Amino acid sequence: GGIITQTPKFLIGQEGQKLTLKCQQNFNHDTMYWYRQDSGKGLRLIYYSITENDLQKGDLSEGYDASREKKSSFSLTVTSAQKNEMAVFLCASSIRGGNYAEQFFGPGTRLTVL
Amino acid sequence: GEQVEQRPPHLSVREGDSAIIICTYTDSATAYFSWYKQEAGAGLQLLMSVLSNVDRKEEQGLTVLLNKKDKRLSLNLTAAHPGDSAVYFCAGPNNYAQGLTFGLGTRVSVFP
Repeated sequence: GGIITQTPKFLIGQEGQKLTLKCQQNFNHDTMYWYRQDSGKGLRLIYYSITENDLQKGDLSEGYDASREKKSSFSLTVTSAQKNEMAVFLCASSIRGGNYAEQFFGPGTRLTVL
Repeated sequence: GEQVEQRPPHLSVREGDSAIIICTYTDSATAYFSWYKQEAGAGLQLLMSVLSNVDRKEEQGLTVLLNKKDKRLSLNLTAAHPGDSAVYFCAGPNNYAQGLTFGLGTRVSVFP
């Protein structure tokens, strides 16, 4: 089995601050994803990456950057944190991309912006 | 792209009873669905995935039914127990042929 690790678990930021979230997986999966989870809105795809150094925008990419430094890691940057923002950011990976992929999720990073 | 609607948003069931969650979808060409479980403070755990050529799938006390005519997907938790208390999400392919489109979730509470 494998595991997805997300750091930090909790992130408190200030309005306008640039914040970086990290994700590591040891499944040796090709594709990695970042989702944002808001209460009452389900999960929305921010970015995904099908291989090292690849980057694809999802539905919610505005206000975010991402980087796939190597196959096992995928980081997400909030370029300018919005006041009173609260959300959970979930990283996921899958062995192959496409509609048939089964995704494995990390435990999430909980963001609060003061 | 696919849109997924999920109901009910909340579900309370007595231990030992069944719980049914329903999702409806829009794209008749959707080839793949999955169900996830999210326990408090945790990420999503894949429960089961089904291809569109499957009408029924059962695994470990869970039954997934796919009605392609009505574009309806259901998850049946048979003989619920306290460990089943969680939020459940259905998911289908999204616009990008990568990633998933999720329903808004159903919070299931199992009481003694």
